[in-house]
Amino acid sequence: GQNIDQPTEMTATEGAIVQINCTYQTSGFNGLFWYQQHAGEAPTFLSYNVLDGLEEKGRFSSFLSRSKGYSYLLLKELQMKDSASYLCAVRDNPGGYNKLIFGAGTRLAVHP
Amino acid sequence: DAGVTQSPTHLIKTRGQHVTLRCSPISGHKSVSWYQQVLGQGPQFIFQYYEKEERGRGNFPDRFSARQFPNYSSELNVNALLLGDSALYLCASSLLDNSYNSPLHFGNGTRLTVT
Repeated sequence: GQNIDQPTEMTATEGAIVQINCTYQTSGFNGLFWYQQHAGEAPTFLSYNVLDGLEEKGRFSSFLSRSKGYSYLLLKELQMKDSASYLCAVRDNPGGYNKLIFGAGTRLAVHP
Repeated sequence: DAGVTQSPTHLIKTRGQHVTLRCSPISGHKSVSWYQQVLGQGPQFIFQYYEKEERGRGNFPDRFSARQFPNYSSELNVNALLLGDSALYLCASSLLDNSYNSPLHFGNGTRLTVT
């Protein structure tokens, strides 16, 4: 079956660092994405990993271990505007098309 | 450049009715996907279209159908609406259909409420 697990909620303090974990079990794997979604808005693309290791993009980094079916999103120097849901998604590529399987999302609350 | 645009933004329908949702992709993007997002859950894949052809379909009943037009815009149709169809319907576009460096870009969605 297809399963993507991430914590439901997390809280953190402004200026701190937070790590959001994601584990996955999917029939296929062609990359892992992280999206940010503010309440009532569209998901926005944050990062993409297809090979093992760390991808860094400013205050955001994402890590992937394919052998462990594991990824994390690291947010540094947290700001209030980072309060949002963070969605982990695996690209399953059946028949060569672009299908994403999403986790339920992690709601992050950043406090002053 | 304009992002992915969807219309309408909100819609209220009653059970048994049908609905048509519309999506215009980012200029130059040839692939459009549709996702359903129920409150508190992640988006679920419904369809993907590329160059006007259906490339993939998720686990949704035949009441759901879609098409893509020559200008790459797309429509999602849902017939015989059920209460459980109430959700945020997201359209996403990408440059290609399956390239690893072609992430999905989402529109703001259509909030459908079925009463």
